[in-house]
Amino acid sequence: QSVLTQSPSVSAAPGQKVTISCSGSSSNIGNNDVSWYQHLPGTAPKLLIYDNNKRPSGIPDRFSGSKSGTSATLGITGLQTGDEADYYCGTWDRSLSGVVFGGGTKLTVL
Amino acid sequence: EVHLLESGGGLVQPGGSLRLSCAASGFTFSNYAMGWVRQAPGKGLEWVSSISASGGATYYADSVKGRFTISRDNSKNTLYLQMSSLRAEDTALYYCAKDLQVSGSYYDFDYWGQGTLVTVSS
Repeated sequence: QSVLTQSPSVSAAPGQKVTISCSGSSSNIGNNDVSWYQHLPGTAPKLLIYDNNKRPSGIPDRFSGSKSGTSATLGITGLQTGDEADYYCGTWDRSLSGVVFGGGTKLTVL
Repeated sequence: EVHLLESGGGLVQPGGSLRLSCAASGFTFSNYAMGWVRQAPGKGLEWVSSISASGGATYYADSVKGRFTISRDNSKNTLYLQMSSLRAEDTALYYCAKDLQVSGSYYDFDYWGQGTLVTVSS
């Protein structure tokens, strides 16, 4: 059972928009910035969003992030088949004094 | 170009030990916090441990605390994970990862290695 809660799966058609949510508590999301990762099987995870809504160099603006209270959301617009992957949120948990990841959300682009 | 290369994985019996290494290049290693993240077969990402740029601060997941030790040699640009009292549930692909910023969040990992597989089985 992950400290951060994500829906197991989400799906949408090519070109559409999807949001992936991440729910936590005051111990983690409520008091720390959130990061989002994309993970395709057999490859290294990729950092998509950090500090809730910032994109590292090279990440297209189709990817966006937001945070409100103890929840965070990743948005992906203009879905492409290449976006099919597992998406994880992550942050620091002050009670655990460690990093916590969500359980991951599998995105299917129909 | 940033490059992280893990090594040291393999098959080990329950209760055994293993040391993973991560050779870093393409950036000033001593300026950045580093971490280890694993993925068990069919499971999600699980943070294992992080270490500050100087090595003076270390953090561990509860699942490995007391059994794993993270360390670094900034003169050799290498990150280590000493694993002992290994259990079947430690079986996973272990990634080393670099922190995005010099200030170090310990969870904004902008570069990852390809991973090294650890299998704990008799």
